[in-house]
Amino acid sequence: GDSVTQTEGLVTLTKGLPVMLNCTYQTTYSPFLFWYVQHLNEAPKLLLKSSTDNKRTEHQGFYATLHKSSSSFHLQKSSVQLSDSALYFCASGPNYNVLYFGSGTKLTVEP
Amino acid sequence: DMKVTQMPRYLIKRMGENVLLECGQDMSHETMYWYRQDPGLGLQLIYISYDVDSNSEGDIPKGYRVSRKKREHFSLILDSAKTNQTSVYFCASRRDSTEVFFGKGTRLTVV
Repeated sequence: GDSVTQTEGLVTLTKGLPVMLNCTYQTTYSPFLFWYVQHLNEAPKLLLKSSTDNKRTEHQGFYATLHKSSSSFHLQKSSVQLSDSALYFCASGPNYNVLYFGSGTKLTVEP
Repeated sequence: DMKVTQMPRYLIKRMGENVLLECGQDMSHETMYWYRQDPGLGLQLIYISYDVDSNSEGDIPKGYRVSRKKREHFSLILDSAKTNQTSVYFCASRRDSTEVFFGKGTRLTVV
């Protein structure tokens, strides 16, 4: 069946360092991929989305490239800030209607 | 400002009691969702509603039912709550071909 895998449950980094959060997916269709960010006690909010192979998409300093050849959509940022501390979910769907979420990665940025 | 509103935000119920979680959206979105969020499991889809009285089971519908009598309201009902239904429940709605908007969640504790 369809699934999304996020290999890191917890990531802790010092402010200013780069980060990459892994996301791979398994699907039988041509997918839409998403990254959602959830700050403490807040609703998940869309951070990035893509359905175009090998095209980088960026928002708020974060970026990701959908690679259909490797079924990946890793989230990156060149320099993390304290305010980036949050829970990050990767999600996949055959369209925007149905979303399958990964288990989430908690990013903690330390001073 | 687009909004998905969930009530109540926090709820404590005894095992065997009935639970009603309410969700409203002011965007006239056709599609709405109920998810639950548990540590290490991400967001799991309980039910999807495509419009009034047009509901479909998600991945974990057992123990839950839903009601959508008006487009702007989508309710999740637990008949005879169980302790393993302790979780954070998120309602969401979708705009055509774009993103899913989440509410802030309801933290349900069943004791």
